[in-house]
Amino acid sequence: DQQVKQNSPSLSVQEGRISILNCDYTNSMFDYFLWYKKYPAEGPTFLISISSIKDKNEDGRFTVFLNKSAKHLSLHIVPSQPGDSAVYFCAASALGGGSNYKLTFGKGTLLTVNP
Amino acid sequence: NAGVTQTPKFQVLKTGQSMTLQCAQDMNHEYMSWYRQDPGMGLRLIHYSVGAGITDQGEVPNGYNVSRSTTEDFPLRLLSAAPSQTSVYFCASSYLGSYNEQFFGPGTRLTVL
Repeated sequence: DQQVKQNSPSLSVQEGRISILNCDYTNSMFDYFLWYKKYPAEGPTFLISISSIKDKNEDGRFTVFLNKSAKHLSLHIVPSQPGDSAVYFCAASALGGGSNYKLTFGKGTLLTVNP
Repeated sequence: NAGVTQTPKFQVLKTGQSMTLQCAQDMNHEYMSWYRQDPGMGLRLIHYSVGAGITDQGEVPNGYNVSRSTTEDFPLRLLSAAPSQTSVYFCASSYLGSYNEQFFGPGTRLTVL
């Protein structure tokens, strides 16, 4: 059973508009969440994270929102740029659960930003 | 800093052959791990290590062995390759402690015929 779900395999947006990528999780022990970005033929690179004690974290054009009651997080990119076109992975870990360093990944969402 | 390096970039094996995927990091990270990425499956944890001499299994460890004799290196061994091990393999590392993101290598694309 998938513990981290990204239900949209792909998303297409226009340059300058907002991109919203969604992620749901089922394991209530997860308390730290990360977003990774991956270009073809490269390894994933860290983008932004949020701990369960917060409901929002912002870094430049990227904002992650966490709704613990709904077990849902989202990544907002504003404004979207063509260079943002990549696969975005949501990941989660249970820092306080004895498996601090194990990341559980979603399947990823392919974002395409059209000029 | 080279970061996390992986060799080889590409490898083709025949069923039953053995090989070692190399991973090295120069950031003095205690934690190192191996993931595999399959189409439509995201990244799945194979094995991980929290320091030299300490390894543990992840989500999909069968068919793979690891060892950690130094802080810098974390090789992944396939003892008898199977077509089901055709995948892209990523090595990652990070500092121990909370809230530390993992840094990934560029990946090794493995095909088992």
